Amino acid sequence: AQKITQTQPGMFVQEKEAVTLDCTYDTSDPSYGLFWYKQPSSGEMIFLIYQGSYDQQNATEGRYSLNFQKARKSANLVISASQLGDSAMYFCAMREGTHGGSQGNLIFGKGTKLSVKP
Amino acid sequence: KAGVTQTPRYLIKTRGQQVTLSCSPISGHRSVSWYQQTPGQGLQFLFEYFSETQRNKGNFPGRFSGRQFSNSRSEMNVSTLELGDSALYLCASSGSSGRYHSGANVLTFGAGSRLTVL
Repeated sequence: AQKITQTQPGMFVQEKEAVTLDCTYDTSDPSYGLFWYKQPSSGEMIFLIYQGSYDQQNATEGRYSLNFQKARKSANLVISASQLGDSAMYFCAMREGTHGGSQGNLIFGKGTKLSVKP
Repeated sequence: KAGVTQTPRYLIKTRGQQVTLSCSPISGHRSVSWYQQTPGQGLQFLFEYFSETQRNKGNFPGRFSGRQFSNSRSEMNVSTLELGDSALYLCASSGSSGRYHSGANVLTFGAGSRLTVL
């Protein structure tokens, strides 16, 4: 079973409008972290936002916010006031527990390709 | 502050050859992780190194190996290349001097090494 599911292979949004990218996750570990990364065509993965499983409030970073619904196991990314430069692949990822201190093992979804229209 | 540097950026090999990819992490970062990204399988964790020791390993055959040096620079090696090894190989680093966000150890990725196997 997939641990991270991104159901939208592609999305279009008009410039200056808001868009929500969906992400659901599956874990039985009570301690986990959720990440969103952006990957432009250049290939580099750019960190956007993080939500810890014990965080009481939804994370926000500038125009990015994370709609964290723990009971539903969803962690949707909301981008407000879309810009042309937001056109890219967006990946949701999860790190489960601490695994003896291991930091590097993120489980990624398949990604959503966002296209911003002028 | 310099980011994660991966070399080479692009390379072409033929089946049966071997390849070595290099990753220089952000200064002060001791954890280096490697990921393989393909259109079919998406992003998959290869392995993580911390202080010259492999701390975690993904589900890849023994042809894939890595190592980390005392200055935290890392290399990964793929021997006996197969066509299916064509991929973008991403390196990421994290550490106490890196970006902490609500207690998470955020992975900072390099631009990747794009390997084509003919």
